[in-house]
Amino acid sequence: GAGVSQSPSNKVTEKGKDVELRCDPISGHTALYWYRQSLGQGLEFLIYFQGNSAPDKSGLPSDRFSAERTGGSVSTLTIQRTQQEDSAVYLCASSWTGDEQFFGPGTRLTVL
Amino acid sequence: SQQGEEDPQALSIQEGENATMNCSYKTSINNLQWYRQNSGRGLVHLILIRSNEREKHSGRLRVTLDTSKKSSSLLITASRAADTASYFCATDGGTDKLIFGTGTRLQVFP
Repeated sequence: GAGVSQSPSNKVTEKGKDVELRCDPISGHTALYWYRQSLGQGLEFLIYFQGNSAPDKSGLPSDRFSAERTGGSVSTLTIQRTQQEDSAVYLCASSWTGDEQFFGPGTRLTVL
Repeated sequence: SQQGEEDPQALSIQEGENATMNCSYKTSINNLQWYRQNSGRGLVHLILIRSNEREKHSGRLRVTLDTSKKSSSLLITASRAADTASYFCATDGGTDKLIFGTGTRLQVFP
């Protein structure tokens, strides 16, 4: 596709439920990143995939968060047993290298 | 923790004025990037400056980098109402992942 796409654009869930957020990167981009942005705040790095290397999970805030990238393309971020503090916009980005990142429109997650 | 800190946190100016935003970071870098964000959604890349560069221009944007002070500035000249957005600096900290600053919210009044 022309750019990074994310789905859903908005997700409202109840506390304790699991959610899956999807990211379709730009075709051919080897690097894929997930970030979280709380209201009025900067971006918080979550996880980074580069090619076939083991992902850098150093930013995941708890073991309730996990992500996978299948076939070096689509990625899914899963949050288990969601909490209200998980409410945020989740942004995905992809790039050729460590330089310019191309961002998707984000998924706004609201945990009631 | 955040690698970069932008200053000021918020800036309000009139159309036609120049807007200057500053960014400080903590570790050595390969490059520093500036991004723009409208309405709290996806970010758009504006400009990248490498550690061996001191100044870079792109249209109405001018970026400077001082690695000795670990700081960068973004200047938007002749601002327009459409420049209203949040602006973030991001550094690589010598790795492939970017660490973003806290952002400057720019409001340009017509």
